[in-house]
Amino acid sequence: AQSVTQLDSHVSVSEGTPVLLRCNYSSSYSPSLFWYVQHPNKGLQLLLKYTSAATLVKGINGFEAEFKKSETSFHLTKPSAHMSDAAEYFCVVSFDSWGKFQFGAGTQVVVTP
Amino acid sequence: GAGVSQSPSNKVTEKGKDVELRCDPISGHTALYWYRQSLGQGLEFLIYFQGNSAPDKSGLPSDRFSAERTGGSVSTLTIQRTQQEDSAVYLCASSFSTGGETEAFFGQGTRLTVV
Repeated sequence: AQSVTQLDSHVSVSEGTPVLLRCNYSSSYSPSLFWYVQHPNKGLQLLLKYTSAATLVKGINGFEAEFKKSETSFHLTKPSAHMSDAAEYFCVVSFDSWGKFQFGAGTQVVVTP
Repeated sequence: GAGVSQSPSNKVTEKGKDVELRCDPISGHTALYWYRQSLGQGLEFLIYFQGNSAPDKSGLPSDRFSAERTGGSVSTLTIQRTQQEDSAVYLCASSFSTGGETEAFFGQGTRLTVV
């Protein structure tokens, strides 16, 4: 079965410290992988995507993610959290050629001063 | 248009009434998706349209839910005989390619409240 799992439902970090959001997938195929962010009462915005090119992907707002096939992971990181990073983050996987997207359960990020 | 447009942005309806939610995808996008986001439930796939192919309705929770896409563009999600558990934010997204590498662009959603 194909699935996507976000390992943390909530992450709390201090401003200026690193952020790590974990995502694992299970698939028999090579997936396309995405991270989206949703700020309170806002729509979903694409942070970055992996599409079988470079395994280290850089996105907007200083975020990056590394695709590790051996670990079936696509963790999202940022070296230094900002207050504006407080939001919900979704790891999203597309498993088939139709492009149907499957969402992880989301990780709520809280940034404290 | 510049982005995916959904209307209305908010809808309050009485239990048992029918509602229609509208989605205008980005011009030229061949794929259109409906998702539902409930408090504490994450995003739930509802239905997927791709070009002229038969839609993937595997996510529709009951036969009270239906959707159509006219002319390969605008889509309407209809919920008949609404129930309180239908209260959620309904998100529409569109994408350009049939391939999995193309990201989906999301609208702002329609917040449905059934009272």
